[in-house]
Amino acid sequence: EPEVTQTPSHQVTQMGQEVILRCVPISNHLYFYWYRQILGQKVEFLVSFYNNEISEKSEIFDDQFSVERPDGSNFTLKIRSTKLEDSAMYFCASRPTGTPNQPQHFGDGTRLSIL
Amino acid sequence: ILNVEQSPQSLHVQEGDSTNFTCSFPSSNFYALHWYRWETAKSPEALFVMTLNGDEKKKGRISATLNTKEGYSYLYIKGSQPEDSATYLCAFRTSMKTSYDKVIFGPGTSLSVIP
Repeated sequence: EPEVTQTPSHQVTQMGQEVILRCVPISNHLYFYWYRQILGQKVEFLVSFYNNEISEKSEIFDDQFSVERPDGSNFTLKIRSTKLEDSAMYFCASRPTGTPNQPQHFGDGTRLSIL
Repeated sequence: ILNVEQSPQSLHVQEGDSTNFTCSFPSSNFYALHWYRWETAKSPEALFVMTLNGDEKKKGRISATLNTKEGYSYLYIKGSQPEDSATYLCAFRTSMKTSYDKVIFGPGTSLSVIP
């Protein structure tokens, strides 16, 4: 069964550095999402992306964050000037076209540790 | 602010016991409720998407009901098995145009089934 894949599985970065988290959504999916989960807290929506632009974003998704679909397969989340509080699991998800009622398919996540 | 709650936070049951837990969500501007099963070190796996008041869905020993008028959904597991041990997440999707493609997750219920 097709899967959403995320790389790397664990990223350790010095505070203030930029990181890029990578995702390869399922190939015929057109809607893409990023979520994060800070340890011990809820899964939080960051951003949704469709047709090469952001369709929704949360209050968390400020100018420090950006997303891009640089080619036909990758979907990336860039975090600039990382802070300690950016340490979390970051999940990518995708869903096919059609109604939003179709479930999202999640990747295994990238654990981001900011030192 | 859209808020989704789940109870209990955690649950320990003996193998063979049946169990249930609750997801509470806003009763206005309802579009859909998703249930996910999330095992440690894996990605969340979609269980059900529920859209209509009174919906009842079943997948093996797991079933779910939906009451959109009062804003709750129950997830039932019949005859729990150790492999049912996981965190069960519900996620609410609003019909509000400003948040159409945003999914709000509850904090999850962590289930441990003791052999």
